Amino acid sequence: DSGVTQTPKHLITATGQRVTLRCSPRSGDLSVYWYQQSLDQGLQFLIQYYNGEERAKGNILERFSAQQFPDLHSELNLSSLELGDSALYFCASSPIGVTPDTQYFGPGTRLTVL
Amino acid sequence: AQKVTQAQTEISVVEKEDVTLDCVYETRDTTYYLFWYKQPPSGELVFLIRRNSFDEQNEISGRYSWNFQKSTSSFNFTITASQVVDSAVYFCALSEAPQGGSEKLVFGKGTKLTVNP
Repeated sequence: DSGVTQTPKHLITATGQRVTLRCSPRSGDLSVYWYQQSLDQGLQFLIQYYNGEERAKGNILERFSAQQFPDLHSELNLSSLELGDSALYFCASSPIGVTPDTQYFGPGTRLTVL
Repeated sequence: AQKVTQAQTEISVVEKEDVTLDCVYETRDTTYYLFWYKQPPSGELVFLIRRNSFDEQNEISGRYSWNFQKSTSSFNFTITASQVVDSAVYFCALSEAPQGGSEKLVFGKGTKLTVNP
C-alpha cells in the first residue's frame, strides 16, 4: 500500500458526460501528479500540482482540468468524454518537489467510456 | 527532450532463469533521476528503485539488481532466479532536475515479463 488513495476504482460512463476522479496524497506530500495510461499512448504525464498551485502541464486535453485543495487532495475533471478517453488514470504524490523525489502511485481509476 | 526506450516489449522465461530488462534513456541534462516501477496484473504501480545521475554504483536488493552506465545511457534491471510472482510489466522512467520546472516522470513503453512455472 503506497498510502495514496484514489476513488472511484472503476467508472463507467457514456460519451459526452463529465466525471471527477479524486486523489488523496500520502500524508505530508505536497506534490500531486496525474498520469494517464492507455494502450496506444502508454503512461503519460497530465498535470502536476504543488501545495495548491499548478506546477506543470503535460499532454492534458483542454476538456480536462484539475485542482488541488487546501487539504492537498486533488481532483481531475474530465468533460465531454470521448471513447478515446477510456484509460487507467493514476495519481501520484511526492514529498517536496525540489528535486525529483520518488513518486508513489495510487491504485488508479479505470475509466470506461461507452 | 527526454526519452526512455524499452526495446523489449515482452519476455518469457521459465522459473529460476535470470532475466535482464533493458532501458536506454535520452536527456540533455547532466542531473537527472532514473526509476523502475513494477505493474503486476492487479494494475497498481509499485516503486522499485530511484537512482540519480551522479551515482553510478550498481545496486542489489535481494534477487533484484540494477546496472547504471552513463557511457551508454542505460539503466538495466536484472532479476536473478526469477519466480512466477515476478510476472508483471516493468517500466523504466526518467525525471530531470526541475530548476523551476516539473519533476514529471517520462516513462518507457514497458516490458511485459512472464515467468512460467
